[in-house]
Amino acid sequence: KQEVTQIPAALSVPEGENLVLNCSFTDSAIYNLQWFRQDPGKGLTSLLLIQSSQREQTSGRLNASLDKSSGRSTLYIAASQPGDSATYLCAVDLRGGTSYGKLTFGQGTILTVHP
Amino acid sequence: GAGVSQSPSNKVTEKGKDVELRCDPISGHTALYWYRQSLGQGLEFLIYFQGNSAPDKSGLPSDRFSAERTGGSVSTLTIQRTQQEDSAVYLCASSLGITGKGAYEQYFGPGTRLTVT
Repeated sequence: KQEVTQIPAALSVPEGENLVLNCSFTDSAIYNLQWFRQDPGKGLTSLLLIQSSQREQTSGRLNASLDKSSGRSTLYIAASQPGDSATYLCAVDLRGGTSYGKLTFGQGTILTVHP
Repeated sequence: GAGVSQSPSNKVTEKGKDVELRCDPISGHTALYWYRQSLGQGLEFLIYFQGNSAPDKSGLPSDRFSAERTGGSVSTLTIQRTQQEDSAVYLCASSLGITGKGAYEQYFGPGTRLTVT
């Protein structure tokens, strides 16, 4: 059974800092890995999707890397802003058989960026 | 364009009553997914549809849970004889398909917060 773990569970940083969120998964046979953002009372917003054949994806101040063999992904946020405050979720997609698109999520990292 | 919508946004029900939660996917998306987010369990997969067919129902917690999709569009998640442990946020997502370009990214709705008293 695929398990996804995110560290740290919570993180509080001053504005402007660069930070790294970590995600690890137990089954390396993933199809892709996605990072989501969730604001309080809202749904999930997809930030970055990394295919299993890729090593990293970048979007603006966000960079996500994937090391499939070691079962790890990191989300790097540069020059953090108060508007980045949210819960960040990592999810893996195993695919195959009847498991198309079934995402397995980590517990999330609650990020607070204070001015 | 319009994103995934869900209704109601909040639902409070008494233990033992049945509830129906609705999801309207993005127009043209053939794949639809239901997830549940609760404090103790995090975000967990319930069921997915490709068209009107549900190939994977492995995540449904019990036989009190059922889901259907009609016309390849709207989906309804029904919980019969609700229990307090059913209290959670129920999230719906859709994607273009299950294979091919654009299939991978899931777009989530705002969720329905269910409280069973």
